[in-house]
Amino acid sequence: QVQLAQSGAEVKKPGASVKVSCKASGYTFTSYAMYWVRQAPGQRLEWMGWINAGNGNRKYSQKFQGRVTITRDTSASTAYMELSSLRSEDTAVYYCAREVATVTLYYFDSWGQGTLVTVSS
Amino acid sequence: DIQMTQSPSSLSASVGDRVTITCRASQSISRFLNWYQHKPGKAPKLLIYAASSLQSGVPSRFSGSGSGTDFTLTISSLQPEDFATYYCQQSYSTPTFGQGTKLEIK
Repeated sequence: QVQLAQSGAEVKKPGASVKVSCKASGYTFTSYAMYWVRQAPGQRLEWMGWINAGNGNRKYSQKFQGRVTITRDTSASTAYMELSSLRSEDTAVYYCAREVATVTLYYFDSWGQGTLVTVSS
Repeated sequence: DIQMTQSPSSLSASVGDRVTITCRASQSISRFLNWYQHKPGKAPKLLIYAASSLQSGVPSRFSGSGSGTDFTLTISSLQPEDFATYYCQQSYSTPTFGQGTKLEIK
């Protein structure tokens, strides 16, 4: 079955960077796009960006443009999300999610378990 | 961005109850609306896609309806494992989510 296994919790200081991994199994990694979504305490889920795991094309949310980098390693079936210049407002649970897309619609059929990133001095 | 508003934000119900959660989009999104269930510490789970299509493996007590700007998720007979937070998400454009509806045991 499809599984997305994320890396463990991180504690970072303001100004630092964090890199979260998402290892996929149970399907052909390069056949799907992977999204990154976060949820800060008391806030709604928020899209950060996505990567086409096949060709590496990426798109980022305007909110995170310049601070987020999403990459993938096809040999390891793993996607990565790096967020830089961290501030306290970036304290959140970060999720990867597999996109299923047709010509007309898309949805997220599998999600990672989440990675808590805490930004604190 | 398209804004998604769910109501209610929280809901108390009993096992066996019929429950309806509403999601409203700030503009028409046709039927590009998905529903997820989220339990603390777990991965979110897709329930419904394209407004009314039941994801494989999801119990038939879950159903979705609506189009345009107004959508509903209905649970026909609540089971103990259904107590969770539910989110809608529009897939008309770059994804945005509702604020969530926390379903609690009465």
